[in-house]
Amino acid sequence: QVTLKESGPGILQPSQTLSLTCTFSGFSLSTYGMGVGWIRQPSGKGLEWLANIWWDDDKYYNPSLKNRLTISKDTSNNQAFLKITNVDTADTATYYCARKANYGSYFDYWGQGVMVTVSS
Amino acid sequence: DIQMTQSPASLSASLGETVTIECRASEDIYSNLAWYQQKPGNSPQLLIYDANSLADGVPSRFSGSGSGTQYSLKINSLQSEDVASYFCQQYNNYPPLTFGSGTKLEIK
Repeated sequence: QVTLKESGPGILQPSQTLSLTCTFSGFSLSTYGMGVGWIRQPSGKGLEWLANIWWDDDKYYNPSLKNRLTISKDTSNNQAFLKITNVDTADTATYYCARKANYGSYFDYWGQGVMVTVSS
Repeated sequence: DIQMTQSPASLSASLGETVTIECRASEDIYSNLAWYQQKPGNSPQLLIYDANSLADGVPSRFSGSGSGTQYSLKINSLQSEDVASYFCQQYNNYPPLTFGSGTKLEIK
């Protein structure tokens, strides 16, 4: 059974760095073809893809935020991480991690999401 | 970037009806398209991948079709549990992966 769960700070101030953790089970990020992605959704709005990390440590970022994003993984502990630097109110959203399907870059399992508010 | 234009933005239909949601890509995406369902207060769930393949556990009243730049999601015999927002996503050419803006489906 595949599960993913996000964790984060809940609230932070503008200019701070947002650190998110995705803890998953039911698959391994050392398996060929596997990957984890981060997607966010402001309240009442659409989905925005942020970054993917693959089993071989390949990383892909949304160019619109690339300079601010860092994705990483801890394969032995079944975790993936995302850092976003210099946050502002526009980064307020629910952040999801999701498993990238083995044979395509769509997401076949999603976490429940973690809400992050940026406010002074 | 590949732009995904989804229509309609909202849709109201009666129980038992058939509804269709469309997604148009700004260039050929060679059927590398997924559809997701997001029920109120929940995370998105995969419905369709590779434009027309049903994800595990998804009822057969959902179907996907299309090719090139034009794709559609059809829901037959609309049920109350189908009230949700629906999003398409292309994965042919990235970064970035891109989503449609979503369709909110309500029961009339």
